[in-house]
Amino acid sequence: EPEVTQTPSHQVTQMGQEVILRCVPISNHLYFYWYRQILGQKVEFLVSFYNNEISEKSEIFDDQFSVERPDGSNFTLKIRSTKLEDSAMYFCASSAQGSRGDTQYFGPGTRLTVL
Amino acid sequence: GESVGLHLPTLSVQEGDNSIINCAYSNSASDYFIWYKQESGKGPQFIIDIRSNMDKRQGQRVTVLLNKTVKHLSLQIAATQPGDSAVYFCAENLRSGGGADGLTFGKGTHLIIQP
Repeated sequence: EPEVTQTPSHQVTQMGQEVILRCVPISNHLYFYWYRQILGQKVEFLVSFYNNEISEKSEIFDDQFSVERPDGSNFTLKIRSTKLEDSAMYFCASSAQGSRGDTQYFGPGTRLTVL
Repeated sequence: GESVGLHLPTLSVQEGDNSIINCAYSNSASDYFIWYKQESGKGPQFIIDIRSNMDKRQGQRVTVLLNKTVKHLSLQIAATQPGDSAVYFCAENLRSGGGADGLTFGKGTHLIIQP
């Protein structure tokens, strides 16, 4: 069964450093998403991406964040200058369509720890 | 404030019993709802969804009920098994102008299956 994959599973970085989280969405999906989950809290939407541009973003997704689809398979989230409060699980998701009613499939997540 | 939330943070049931997990939402514009299951260390896993033009939908051992009058959503799991132990999130997809819609998640209910 196709699945979303993410690397690395755990990333430790120093405050102020740049990190890139990587995702490989399901191959025939066209819509991609990033979410985060601070430990013990709910999953929060960050950004959605379609046709090589951002479709929707939340208030969390400020200028420190960027997304990119550098090739035909990868989808990345970059945090330019990490802060302590960026420590969280980051989930990538993908769907075949962006409309309501189309299932978003989530990857296993990357645990980001900012020291 | 958040538009989706859960009544109980933890629910403990005996193996083989039925369980009901509840969710309240406040945004009457929401028209699509999803239940996700999250096991420890994993990403959210799709369970079942329902559109606002329905009040009930059944899957394998799971049923979702939607009461739009009181803005309430529930997930019923029949004959619970040890593998059902997880955190369950409801999520909603708000009406939007199109594109890739981000999901709004509730806080989650931790379902514990007692042997």
